[in-house]
Amino acid sequence: DVKVTQSSRYLVKRTGEKVFLECVQDMDHENMFWYRQDPGLGLRLIYFSYDVKMKEKGDIPEGYSVSREKKERFSLILESASTNQTSMYLCASSDGTGSYEQYFGPGTRLTVT
Amino acid sequence: GQNIDQPTEMTATEGAIVQINCTYQTSGFNGLFWYQQHAGEAPTFLSYNVLDGLEEKGRFSSFLSRSKGYSYLLLKELQMKDSASYLCAVMANNNDMRFGAGTRLTVKP
Repeated sequence: DVKVTQSSRYLVKRTGEKVFLECVQDMDHENMFWYRQDPGLGLRLIYFSYDVKMKEKGDIPEGYSVSREKKERFSLILESASTNQTSMYLCASSDGTGSYEQYFGPGTRLTVT
Repeated sequence: GQNIDQPTEMTATEGAIVQINCTYQTSGFNGLFWYQQHAGEAPTFLSYNVLDGLEEKGRFSSFLSRSKGYSYLLLKELQMKDSASYLCAVMANNNDMRFGAGTRLTVKP
């Protein structure tokens, strides 16, 4: 079974802090994604990556950056957390070669105070 | 731009059939997905359509019409455990997925 893990289920940070959200997948998938999910807005794509050291902006990249130094790991960085970044963050991966099904991690609920 | 629309909420009775519609306007199309998400959990894959027509998988079926930008998810013999949000997602370009806001389905006894 594909397993996607995220470093924290719950996280509380203060405004202005730098925040790292880590995601690891164990199926050698090429593609990895970061979404945030808010009530009434659904899943919105922040960034995605086709390969190591490659990244593409999604719909709402402002205030975020990403890092993919190794194939299995995709990190989301909030350079200076703000209260409007309080949300559920979901990481996903897919193998991108014929099967585009995305496998999701359990999510990190981030609260910025 | 990308636009994916689906109803916000639906209610149905245990044992009945429910159809959840999704319309989309996207730049490019490489497939349409349906995911199920129970409250507090991650989305899980239900179905994938890339050609027009109906795909059946047990109690769940998914239909696609590319010319109309339209899909539906059909759930038969509803069970209480089917109460969840159902997310329609379109792959506009390779590996780049866009999700609708989701339809929250409540199944009542």
